[in-house]
Amino acid sequence: AQSVTQLDSHVSVSEGTPVLLRCNYSSSYSPSLFWYVQHPNKGLQLLLKYTSAATLVKGINGFEAEFKKSETSFHLTKPSAHMSDAAEYFCVVMNFGNEKLTFGTGTRLTIIP
Amino acid sequence: NAGVTQTPKFQVLKTGQSMTLQCAQDMNHNSMYWYRQDPGMGLRLIYYSASEGTTDKGEVPNGYNVSRLNKREFSLRLESAAPSQTSVYFCASSDLSYNSPLHFGNGTRLTVT
Repeated sequence: AQSVTQLDSHVSVSEGTPVLLRCNYSSSYSPSLFWYVQHPNKGLQLLLKYTSAATLVKGINGFEAEFKKSETSFHLTKPSAHMSDAAEYFCVVMNFGNEKLTFGTGTRLTIIP
Repeated sequence: NAGVTQTPKFQVLKTGQSMTLQCAQDMNHNSMYWYRQDPGMGLRLIYYSASEGTTDKGEVPNGYNVSRLNKREFSLRLESAAPSQTSVYFCASSDLSYNSPLHFGNGTRLTVT
């Protein structure tokens, strides 16, 4: 079985400060992990994915995530928040050999001007 | 390049009415998916189709039927709508190779009164 826990349902940061969105996962096998972003009234867009190559993964718009197997975590970070980063973010896990993805419940990121 | 196109964008139904949500993708993807998104619950898989001619139940299939009309199109039907089916519905596709991301449509916002 696989599961994903996003530890914060809502995160607020000031523009120009760092962003940290936390994700823990549970998986029986070596998982693939993804972060998706959803802007209002839009579908989900892939930010980045981990596929057992490098543990530090760089994505679009300056985001990156680090896979830590010992902590079963895949936290999303960005050094400096921009107003356009305000959106909902989803952490997703997929097990090898299983095409079904399991989504976290989402973290809404608010950027304070 | 349109990607994944969903119609309609909005729909209001009365309890007991039926309707079909349409989805088409132009990326030659094998796999297509229907998800529903509800506040605080992330995305939940309703049905998916790994290839033309095959469909499988996801996490929450009750009250829905699907048709994989051809490689491009995957429709979701509500035979007798219920208020519990008020949600935002997303169609997605992928090329089925391991670690391939999902490409999402912009969603259909359905209200059942």
